[in-house]
Amino acid sequence: QVRLQESGPGLVKPSGTLSLTCAVSGDSINNNNWWTWVRQPPEKGLEWIGEIFPSGRITYNPSLTGRVTISLDKSKNQFSLKLNSVTAADTAVYYCARKPYASNRIDFWGQGTLVTVSS
Amino acid sequence: DIVMTQPPLSLPVSPGEPASISCRSSQSLLHSNGYNYLNWYLQKPGQSPQLLIYLGSNRASGVPDRFSGSGSGTDFTLIISRVEAEDVGIYHCMQVIQTPFTFGQGTKLEIK
Repeated sequence: QVRLQESGPGLVKPSGTLSLTCAVSGDSINNNNWWTWVRQPPEKGLEWIGEIFPSGRITYNPSLTGRVTISLDKSKNQFSLKLNSVTAADTAVYYCARKPYASNRIDFWGQGTLVTVSS
Repeated sequence: DIVMTQPPLSLPVSPGEPASISCRSSQSLLHSNGYNYLNWYLQKPGQSPQLLIYLGSNRASGVPDRFSGSGSGTDFTLIISRVEAEDVGIYHCMQVIQTPFTFGQGTKLEIK
């Protein structure tokens, strides 16, 4: 069974950097999947952040371009999210997820982790 | 960006009754291969989203057959033939035809 588990600080100061890691089990980060980040601000809808393929190809949401970085750590079978210059608007539950290549659907999600931006 | 709209935001339904959840896109989601690039997810209270329907009308593995998806182009519907108590939660539609992928604001299904 595929499992994804987010980890990272739950509190980040304004103008700081949000850093999260997603540990993958039951699948290899080298397999043909798009490894994805999605977030959900409190009481709001879901927002797609971006995704990365094992080849290194990355696509980001243009609304976050310039602040966001997604990367892979193949040695640890995990992938990461960094978001710079955060504000209160970046407070959200952050989910990591898997989208198999050519399947056009996210089929597995992590449980999500709440990150609050506050001083 | 493709804008996804899901009216209404809340949908109260009695157990055993059918439910219909709407999703509209600002651009066509019909790919040249004939598939509609529209997925449905259910987010139960306190949980992460789970895949219900993919490519417009295909049920994901393990999803009860009381769930079905229909529609094409810009108008889509998720139908629950007989609502059960365990179906409560927020239903999200998501377009995957072009990046940035976008979601509707969600429809919250409540039991009367």
